[in-house]
Amino acid sequence: KNEVEQSPQNLTAQEGEFITINCSYSVGISALHWLQQHPGGGIVSLFMLSSGKKKHGRLIATINIQEKHSSLHITASHPRDSAVYICAVRENTGNQFYFGTGTSLTVIP
Amino acid sequence: DAGITQSPRHKVTETGTPVTLRCHQTENHRYMYWYRQDPGHGLRLIHYSYGVKDTDKGEVSDGYSVSRSKTEDFLLTLESATSSQTSVYFCAIRAGQLYEQYFGPGTRLTVT
Repeated sequence: KNEVEQSPQNLTAQEGEFITINCSYSVGISALHWLQQHPGGGIVSLFMLSSGKKKHGRLIATINIQEKHSSLHITASHPRDSAVYICAVRENTGNQFYFGTGTSLTVIP
Repeated sequence: DAGITQSPRHKVTETGTPVTLRCHQTENHRYMYWYRQDPGHGLRLIHYSYGVKDTDKGEVSDGYSVSRSKTEDFLLTLESATSSQTSVYFCAIRAGQLYEQYFGPGTRLTVT
């Protein structure tokens, strides 16, 4: 069973393009986490959100709790944004997280 | 980076041998987690700890045990390693108001 589904699985974009990565989940959650993982690298926290929208630089994350859906947007994409983006949800008790399989993004110069 | 280190960073071992991975944190976080990451799967929880000597199983706990004798260290043991346990293992802590997770650098384990 997949509590968290991400789309697309793979994404290739030209530098400068606007990018959207989607995350849908099926369990009751108290928060959603967006993470970034560069090839061969560690996992870095981007956003943690429980409602609405958050922005950090060129990254924007939104969540719709009623629709059980979140999006991660990257404006003016750059080759250094090439990475795997992972969506994770914290289930209601707060003790465990469920993770999507990730979206692999490649930004071409 | 939340002061999380993992050791070793890379290990190759033979089937049937015991292996222990260590996660160390410097900021006194109560909750610590062990995950494995495999192609085609999201991060999957092996075990987690909510305090010294307090641990619980995750979805893929078979073949693994953990121990936490002090706040800063969370050990993951493979009693008898199998090839199916070849993976990248990540440790994480939980912090902040929204219980954000911060990850260690990972340990790449190969069981031959």
